[in-house]
Amino acid sequence: NAGVTQTPKFQVLKTGQSMTLQCAQDMNHEYMSWYRQDPGMGLRLIHYSVGAGITDQGEVPNGYNVSRSTTEDFPLRLLSAAPSQTSVYFCASSRGLRGSYNEQFFGPGTRLTVL
Amino acid sequence: AQTVTQSQPEMSVQEAETVTLSCTYDTSESNYYLFWYKQPPSRQMILVIRQEAYKQQNATENRFSVNFQKAAKSFSLKISDSQLGDTAMYFCAFTGYTGTASKLTFGTGTRLQVTL
Repeated sequence: NAGVTQTPKFQVLKTGQSMTLQCAQDMNHEYMSWYRQDPGMGLRLIHYSVGAGITDQGEVPNGYNVSRSTTEDFPLRLLSAAPSQTSVYFCASSRGLRGSYNEQFFGPGTRLTVL
Repeated sequence: AQTVTQSQPEMSVQEAETVTLSCTYDTSESNYYLFWYKQPPSRQMILVIRQEAYKQQNATENRFSVNFQKAAKSFSLKISDSQLGDTAMYFCAFTGYTGTASKLTFGTGTRLQVTL
């Protein structure tokens, strides 16, 4: 049971390049989310999904796209990278909304630098 | 919209001592969940403790306990018998009971340093 995995761990992009951050979980969780972590700002929600085929925007969605074709995978796409997207990105999943089900399990993070 | 405030950017405690990290929040919901997450230098986010707002009793997990004051919208974390391995960033987080997804709103974090 690998939990939540993210690839790559580190990435450097040039302004304008596109890329996809991969996230996968093997716990059969319905709920998956992407957060970004910036110094002094905690973690902020980018996009989330409540199941395969269903996604929605979080607090800071601009410049990012997501899709959820399977329960296991939730990739985050940067369409045209900008220096403001330099951050650490975390993927998280949870089983449900109530009680112990809403514990979110986090991946190890991806550190992205946009030059 | 919910907000979570951690007013202590950094704290230091000696090994074996007790430290309390503060968190306040604002919400119009009557029921919700509050969390404390630990982020050590490895960057991994680790759940420390969870509190459901409708439960009067404060949650405890071994050396970690909370002081939940619903009327004051306060949710502090007490770490007893501090250990060097407790050195980390600590984030307070909130999620509502209603809605369609488990979405966390985080505070800005408190960096805790445990010293010898």
